[in-house]
Amino acid sequence: GESVGLHLPTLSVQEGDNSIINCAYSNSASDYFIWYKQESGKGPQFIIDIRSNMDKRQGQRVTVLLNKTVKHLSLQIAATQPGDSAVYFCAENMWTSYDKVIFGPGTSLSVIP
Amino acid sequence: DAMVIQNPRYQVTQFGKPVTLSCSQTLNHNVMYWYQQKSSQAPKLLFHYYDKDFNNEADTPDNFQSRRPNTSFCFLDIRSPGLGDAAMYLCATSIETDYEQYFGPGTRLTVT
Repeated sequence: GESVGLHLPTLSVQEGDNSIINCAYSNSASDYFIWYKQESGKGPQFIIDIRSNMDKRQGQRVTVLLNKTVKHLSLQIAATQPGDSAVYFCAENMWTSYDKVIFGPGTSLSVIP
Repeated sequence: DAMVIQNPRYQVTQFGKPVTLSCSQTLNHNVMYWYQQKSSQAPKLLFHYYDKDFNNEADTPDNFQSRRPNTSFCFLDIRSPGLGDAAMYLCATSIETDYEQYFGPGTRLTVT
């Protein structure tokens, strides 16, 4: 079935380095993509989003890249900090009989001080 | 601050004993969602309301029901909890279905 998946279930980076979290999606009809951060014991928190008419979007220390040709999404975090340690989910929004958000399996990011 | 509130944060119920989880929002968003999240897994959508219109996911068990009496409140009713229903239950809101969702802190349900 249609799904969103992540290449790496865990990622460890040194504090100050850049992090890249990848996501593959299979539904070419998806038109909106979101990255969420979930810290232990908390609900997911919106980080950044991108619509299918764009291929790059930047926020504060974060950049999302969308490659529709290969159905790939990535989240880049600049100068990774200990507070960035969390599980990161990509999510895609697709239209069925209504808009439906499907979450990928998640990547756990650990920042080494 | 505008936010999504879930009560209680922790709920313990007995096998087969009905339980209700609550969610409220001050964002005045049109859409409210309920997700189930088990350990080390992604949130799984159970259902959502767009205003008063209820949308149930095809694989959501009949054991799970929901009510939205007004814009601000939404309830998740589990009619006969089983051990497999132990999970974190997340409520989220969005202004429209194709916009980012704002999540509450979740209610962790334990079934004994």
